[in-house]
Amino acid sequence: GQQVMQIPQYQHVQEGEDFTTYCNSSTTLSNIQWYKQRPGGHPVFLIQLVKSGEVKKQKRLTFQFGEAKKNSSLHITATQTTDVGTYFCADSGGYQKVTFGTGTKLQVIP
Amino acid sequence: KAGVTQTPRYLIKTRGQQVTLSCSPISGHRSVSWYQQTPGQGLQFLFEYFSETQRNKGNFPGRFSGRQFSNSRSEMNVSTLELGDSALYLCASSQGAFSTNEKLFFGSGTQLSVL
Repeated sequence: GQQVMQIPQYQHVQEGEDFTTYCNSSTTLSNIQWYKQRPGGHPVFLIQLVKSGEVKKQKRLTFQFGEAKKNSSLHITATQTTDVGTYFCADSGGYQKVTFGTGTKLQVIP
Repeated sequence: KAGVTQTPRYLIKTRGQQVTLSCSPISGHRSVSWYQQTPGQGLQFLFEYFSETQRNKGNFPGRFSGRQFSNSRSEMNVSTLELGDSALYLCASSQGAFSTNEKLFFGSGTQLSVL
């Protein structure tokens, strides 16, 4: 079956440093969604990418969808302590059978 | 608008027992899906319901079952609990027509501990 891997699994950064998590799929992604889960919380939708090569920005967050639709990335510029959490990518394939990536846990050191 | 509500928040059960978890979606949302979250396995899809019909099922044994009521509320049942069933069970709702691209709204989850 489809596997959606994220790297790195964990990342510790100093506040103000940049952070990137990569999402790689064993099969072509239908669409890619990104979610953030704060410690002790539940996943919260961040964004969806649909088109090959698509790039979207939300303030300090930049999301990219690969040309071949097999990978995606999330880049955070100048991290803040509020960015702490686990970031998941997800393939929003047909009929809500969403396949989540393995997640990247971000720790920001003040 | 109220969010997705899951009850109970915490549950402690022993092996062999069964458990029922409840999920009330956002008003107007007709699709409810369930996920199991563990530190080792991440977020794994259990099943999804739309208009009282199961549309998709993940790779879980038959001990895991669910249903959806006419008001879109959903329940998930796990019978003959095993230690490995200890996890955070998350429910998500979406407006959910027969299309992709629906973003998911998650509840706070039910933390199940099996002793």
